Amino acid sequence: GENVEQHPSTLSVQEGDSAVIKCTYSDSASNYFPWYKQELGKRPQLIIDIRSNVGEKKDQRIAVTLNKTAKHFSLHITETQPEDSAVYFCAARGSNYKLTFGKGTLLTVNP
Amino acid sequence: EAQVTQNPRYLITVTGKKLTVTCSQNMNHEYMSWYRQDPGLGLRQIYYSMNVEVTDKGDVPEGYKVSRKEKRNFPLILESPSPNQTSLYFCASSFGNSYGYTFGSGTRLTVV
Repeated sequence: GENVEQHPSTLSVQEGDSAVIKCTYSDSASNYFPWYKQELGKRPQLIIDIRSNVGEKKDQRIAVTLNKTAKHFSLHITETQPEDSAVYFCAARGSNYKLTFGKGTLLTVNP
Repeated sequence: EAQVTQNPRYLITVTGKKLTVTCSQNMNHEYMSWYRQDPGLGLRQIYYSMNVEVTDKGDVPEGYKVSRKEKRNFPLILESPSPNQTSLYFCASSFGNSYGYTFGSGTRLTVV
């Protein structure tokens, strides 16, 4: 089955800096890669996703890149703000239609 | 309002006492799924369903049952709960294979 590795597990940045979170996946047939943000005590919420026929997608300050050959994808957050502080999860949907999540990255944005 | 509704939000129960966590979505989604979230382990899939009467095991199905008799409902059943099933549970739904999940508010279960 699919295996998703996520790094780093914790990330601390200064307000205004950029943050990058990286994930790798194992199933070459995976074709859908969402990213979720989970604030403390809340449910995970979809912030951006990318499908396997696209290499990059951007939505305001967040962007996701996908390298199918290397089987990795990344989340980029620019001009970080304190409200970006949360746990971020990557996920990949494999050939068996299961959505497998990485273990999460705790992002702290220091004012 | 489009949403996934789970009940109850909090539950404390004793070992061996059967319980059901309900999940309902009003978005006509095909896919539904149950995840458990534990510190350091992220979100692990318990069961998922691609349509009515179609269910399949996720990564951690032991000790759980599900059913999908109607499109909108996907209850999670613990026939004989044990303390290692103490966790935060999320139900989620999506349109299909290339769409993200919408999550419910979560159910915090404690088994003593």
